[in-house]
Amino acid sequence: QKEVEQDPGPLSVPEGAIVSLNCTYSNSAFQYFMWYRQYSRKGPELLMYTYSSGNKEDGRFTAQVDKSSKYISLFIRDSQPSDSATYLCAMSLYGNKLVFGAGTILRVKS
Amino acid sequence: GAVVSQHPSWVICKSGTSVKIECRSLDFQATTMFWYRQFPKQSLMLMATSNEGSKATYEQGVEKDKFLINHASLTLSTLTVTSAHPEDSSFYICSARIETHLLGQYFGPGTRLTVT
Repeated sequence: QKEVEQDPGPLSVPEGAIVSLNCTYSNSAFQYFMWYRQYSRKGPELLMYTYSSGNKEDGRFTAQVDKSSKYISLFIRDSQPSDSATYLCAMSLYGNKLVFGAGTILRVKS
Repeated sequence: GAVVSQHPSWVICKSGTSVKIECRSLDFQATTMFWYRQFPKQSLMLMATSNEGSKATYEQGVEKDKFLINHASLTLSTLTVTSAHPEDSSFYICSARIETHLLGQYFGPGTRLTVT
């Protein structure tokens, strides 16, 4: 079993849709939860991070962490074609070494 | 924002040769840099943690004699793939961490290595 599970997709949505991306994990000791966006042949870019459980909102993006279920989510409102990318979840015990999910390919169609 | 560069962005080499990849933090000092490998449609896998002035710490299963890492200064780390084989073909990404920012790990654009 992988430490972090993430559906690779692709997930195709029409422009303006609400997108829900999810990851599950097995290590209950993870404390830091991050979402990265990666465009093709580029390095990942940090979108959001959350410490422990709870929600965090930044513009059109909302990150949720449910430690009791070992489940994290990223919601994108009013999705745009420019949001088309691979979204990677990542987790860490102490904020140093990151364990990544496989990434979900998102395609937003105009 | 913090910028990390990698050079080259793409390299093709023949089997048995060595290739060096550079990772630079352009506008900040990074005592810690990380090297990842990413195969198509797969996750980033941490290969090693590089600390300036000391030996790199390799993850389990990563051959330290094959993947030589040198963190020569606070802004430069290099990864040398020695005696490359076609199975080493992958996307190699570095990241650099700002020590004062716990989650400040900034990624480079990656280097695509193709071994023929």
